[in-house]
Amino acid sequence: DIQMTQSPSTLSASVGDRVTITCRASQSISSWLAWYQQKPGKAPKLLIYKASSLESGVPSRFSGSGSGTEFTLTISSLQPDDFATYYCQQYNSPEWTFGQGTKVEIK
Amino acid sequence: EVQLVESGGGLVQPGGSLRLSCAASGFTFSSYEMNWVRQAPGKGLEWVSYISSSGSTIYYADSVKGRFTISRDNAKNSLYLQMNSLRAEDTAVYYCARDVKWGQGTLVTVSS
Repeated sequence: DIQMTQSPSTLSASVGDRVTITCRASQSISSWLAWYQQKPGKAPKLLIYKASSLESGVPSRFSGSGSGTEFTLTISSLQPDDFATYYCQQYNSPEWTFGQGTKVEIK
Repeated sequence: EVQLVESGGGLVQPGGSLRLSCAASGFTFSSYEMNWVRQAPGKGLEWVSYISSSGSTIYYADSVKGRFTISRDNAKNSLYLQMNSLRAEDTAVYYCARDVKWGQGTLVTVSS
């Protein structure tokens, strides 16, 4: 199985901060990586697919980068609506795996 | 627009069974691999099962192998998850997913 290691698990930040979340795969997944945002009681919302493609309707302050085994999600200027939990997902293999999640909290 | 709508969740006793359904629309269902993913209360996301577009290739997470069965009906644009011998730890929201497109989920609660 491909293991996904996401860090940090919790992040405290202020509105306007630049935020970076990292996801590392245990083996190469090319660019088959997605990032999701999840708020309590809601389904995960797709932000980024294929490592760096922005899903339609997602604000441009969100960006993704990386390939192979190292990936990052960057929020260029954190907004009040961005306080949530973020997950990475590899879909290179049929047996998907997810990062453990990063909770972005208000500092 | 891709739409995935899950149904069939509910409260079931330990050892019981439940069948989840996922109605797909907005894309050519028969051309796509499909998956089930779940999320236990307060926990992260866990992949459950995969089925190829034709249904000929299937995979399961170790945690559900031998108890859950994934299937699809391409004529009805539908995906299914038959869950048997349910345990308390199967309590979760279950999501139907086509690559990075997910439904809204259906809650399964296993409790006496």
